[in-house]
Amino acid sequence: GQQVMQIPQYQHVQEGEDFTTYCNSSTTLSNIQWYKQRPGGHPVFLIQLVKSGEVKKQKRLTFQFGEAKKNSSLHITATQTTDVGTYFCAFNQAGTALIFGKGTTLSVSS
Amino acid sequence: DTEVTQTPKHLVMGMTNKKSLKCEQHMGHRAMYWYKQKAKKPPELMFVYSYEKLSINESVPSRFSPECPNSSLLNLHLHALQPEDSALYLCASSQERDRGWPQHFGDGTRLSIL
Repeated sequence: GQQVMQIPQYQHVQEGEDFTTYCNSSTTLSNIQWYKQRPGGHPVFLIQLVKSGEVKKQKRLTFQFGEAKKNSSLHITATQTTDVGTYFCAFNQAGTALIFGKGTTLSVSS
Repeated sequence: DTEVTQTPKHLVMGMTNKKSLKCEQHMGHRAMYWYKQKAKKPPELMFVYSYEKLSINESVPSRFSPECPNSSLLNLHLHALQPEDSALYLCASSQERDRGWPQHFGDGTRLSIL
């Protein structure tokens, strides 16, 4: 079935550094969603991207959907310790529910 | 505060026990989901209910039995589980099953099988 590759699997940064996670598909996606799961918590919906080339911002977070709708990225500017967690991309496959990427786990040291 | 409520938060059971996990939402969502999540892994879809009917069953063993008594409630009945079934069980809901509606997750039930 359709899948997405998410890289890197783990990323450690110093507080104040930037962070980016990438989500790549071999086929065109109708939409992509991003979720954040804090340690010990549950996934929380961050955003959905639908249009080719779409860019959305939420404070220090910037989300992009590629022109070919086969890749997406989440960029965090000037990370803070509150950004710690695992970031998942996910997409809807036709006729099914959400398919999650494997996630990128971000750790931040102060 | 999560808008999807799951009980219990923790559950320890033996392999011969029967127990149930419960999930409730009052957002008027018509799709509800059960996921299983192992440590350091993404959520793995188990079941999807759409308008109170089971629409997707991802080849889950019969020792897991879902039930949707009404549009707000979702249960997962457990019987004769195996140690490898120990995991975090997440319930989620969304406006509809398709069309990319965001999913709202509960806090989950941490299940340990002895």
